[in-house]
Amino acid sequence: DSGVTQTPKHLITATGQRVTLRCSPRSGDLSVYWYQQSLDQGLQFLIQYYNGEERAKGNILERFSAQQFPDLHSELNLSSLELGDSALYFCASSPDRATEAFFGQGTRLTVV
Amino acid sequence: QKEVEQDPGPLSVPEGAIVSLNCTYSNSAFQYFMWYRQYSRKGPELLMYTYSSGNKEDGRFTAQVDKSSKYISLFIRDSQPSDSATYLCAMDPNSGYALNFGKGTSLLVTP
Repeated sequence: DSGVTQTPKHLITATGQRVTLRCSPRSGDLSVYWYQQSLDQGLQFLIQYYNGEERAKGNILERFSAQQFPDLHSELNLSSLELGDSALYFCASSPDRATEAFFGQGTRLTVV
Repeated sequence: QKEVEQDPGPLSVPEGAIVSLNCTYSNSAFQYFMWYRQYSRKGPELLMYTYSSGNKEDGRFTAQVDKSSKYISLFIRDSQPSDSATYLCAMDPNSGYALNFGKGTSLLVTP
């Protein structure tokens, strides 16, 4: 167990809908990262938050947004969902650097 | 062209074999090199972490980085069926912000 908790584990929703994925980082970790994993693209970095502030942005669509709350948990919001958004979404956390990050078990999103 | 290239396999070896997994990359700014293991339906788990060039050994695992060739390797000695997983290489240009992952190599170790 990495200590990073993601909920829900599975999510099935229809196109056009909006969902929220939640991540609780390891105790003491200030950085949270979101990654998307699909068969054709592999693991793609979406966004990083550090102590409540956005620190880096990767290949995140405008339909997606994230935030990190004062208690350091993070949420990834996905809206106007399309079939192509079906993927595994991972959260990772670290004290600071991405090289020290531990990953959660992921949320499997299926858009039908 | 992706910055990090990795042969997806699958790679099938008998138990006890030496396994060689490789990645190539194009961004010379990468300084940190990592190998992750991912079991089916699980999150990636950090195996090895190397800074700049050289070798690093941890039990049955050895990581090698050749920055002049932009090539990294992971060797697994005395492979076990429990090593069957997808192995992902990842790299960081010292920004500390995000990792660039290869697509992963699927490994099957047969008893």
